[in-house]
Amino acid sequence: AQSVAQPEDQVNVAEGNPLTVKCTYSVSGNPYLFWYVQYPNRGLQFLLKYITGDNLVKGSYGFEAEFNKSQTSFHLKKPSALVSDSALYFCAVRDENTNAGKSTFGDGTTLTVKP
Amino acid sequence: NAGVTQTPKFQVLKTGQSMTLQCAQDMNHNSMYWYRQDPGMGLRLIYYSASEGTTDKGEVPNGYNVSRLNKREFSLRLESAAPSQTSVYFCASEREGHRYTGELFFGEGSRLTVL
Repeated sequence: AQSVAQPEDQVNVAEGNPLTVKCTYSVSGNPYLFWYVQYPNRGLQFLLKYITGDNLVKGSYGFEAEFNKSQTSFHLKKPSALVSDSALYFCAVRDENTNAGKSTFGDGTTLTVKP
Repeated sequence: NAGVTQTPKFQVLKTGQSMTLQCAQDMNHNSMYWYRQDPGMGLRLIYYSASEGTTDKGEVPNGYNVSRLNKREFSLRLESAAPSQTSVYFCASEREGHRYTGELFFGEGSRLTVL
């Protein structure tokens, strides 16, 4: 079984400040972890993923995420937030033996960046 | 390059009516998926197709049928719509190749209301 939790429904930050969107997961095997972003009235867009290798993964639009196996976390981060980063963010997980479309998605975290 | 295209974008149905949501991708991907998105519930997999001619049930298949018409097209049918099927529906395809494993491309969604 696999599951993912995004403990915060909403994250608010000021423009220029660092941001963190939290994600914790549970899988039976090795985890494949993903972050997607959804802008209003649009589909989800792939941001970044962790499959293997370095625990710090860099992705699109200056975002990065840190894989922490001991804490079973994969938090999304950005050093300096932009107003245009305001969107709905989804974390997803699957184990290495499950195909991508059967990933389990979190409930989403709404990020609001204020000027 | 259109990516994943869904039609219609909006639809209102009466209980008991039927309709088909269309999805097409122009990226030559083998795997395609249908999800529904409900507030506070993330994305839930309805059906998926690993290749042309094959389909499998996902997490919430009841009340739906699918057809993988060819490699490009994957349609979702509601035979007798119910208010519980009011949702936003997303079609997705999976990027090919080990380097891109797990990366999903999403359409912009079809917003369905069942009265």
